[in-house]
Amino acid sequence: RKEVEQDPGPFNVPEGATVAFNCTYSNSASQSFFWYRQDCRKEPKLLMSVYSSGNEDGRFTAQLNRASQYISLLIRDSKLSDSATYLCVVIYNFNKFYFGSGTKLNVKP
Amino acid sequence: EPEVTQTPSHQVTQMGQEVILRCVPISNHLYFYWYRQILGQKVEFLVSFYNNEISEKSEIFDDQFSVERPDGSNFTLKIRSTKLEDSAMYFCASSEAAGYGGGANVLTFGAGSRLTVL
Repeated sequence: RKEVEQDPGPFNVPEGATVAFNCTYSNSASQSFFWYRQDCRKEPKLLMSVYSSGNEDGRFTAQLNRASQYISLLIRDSKLSDSATYLCVVIYNFNKFYFGSGTKLNVKP
Repeated sequence: EPEVTQTPSHQVTQMGQEVILRCVPISNHLYFYWYRQILGQKVEFLVSFYNNEISEKSEIFDDQFSVERPDGSNFTLKIRSTKLEDSAMYFCASSEAAGYGGGANVLTFGAGSRLTVL
């Protein structure tokens, strides 16, 4: 079983749409969670950390559900510039980071 | 904004040759990592390094790989005898701290070194 699983997509949405991604993790001892964004052939860049109470940063909202072992990312009012691959990252065992395979988002005009 | 720098950006080598990829982590960061990403695939953990020694390594990080922090600023990944399947983007990353929460455990990645083995 994979440590972190994501729907690979692609999610094709029109500008202005709301889109949500989920990510499930297998290890209940996982303690820190992040969403990273990766543009084609570029390095991953932190989008946001995910806190237990859920958190929002502008058009982006992240949620954590420990009972069901998943995290989610909601993007409201999608922009063309949101087109990228979104990586779910989970820390387990102090400093071991596990990456999901990423969910590809295409925002179309 | 502080950044992680990597050199070279692209290296082409012949199978069996040794390759050294270099990284300069963010200056106040204490934890250093190498990841790789084969084209079209996921980001894979190779190794983490703290206090001048390896703290974790994956099954990918076999005897062909080694890491070093030779001079207090550079962090290098050496592949002794490259294979075709080593062709990938290699990302260096660093973090201020490890552990859970507080924000200091966030990974910052370099732009990557693309390795092509022929």
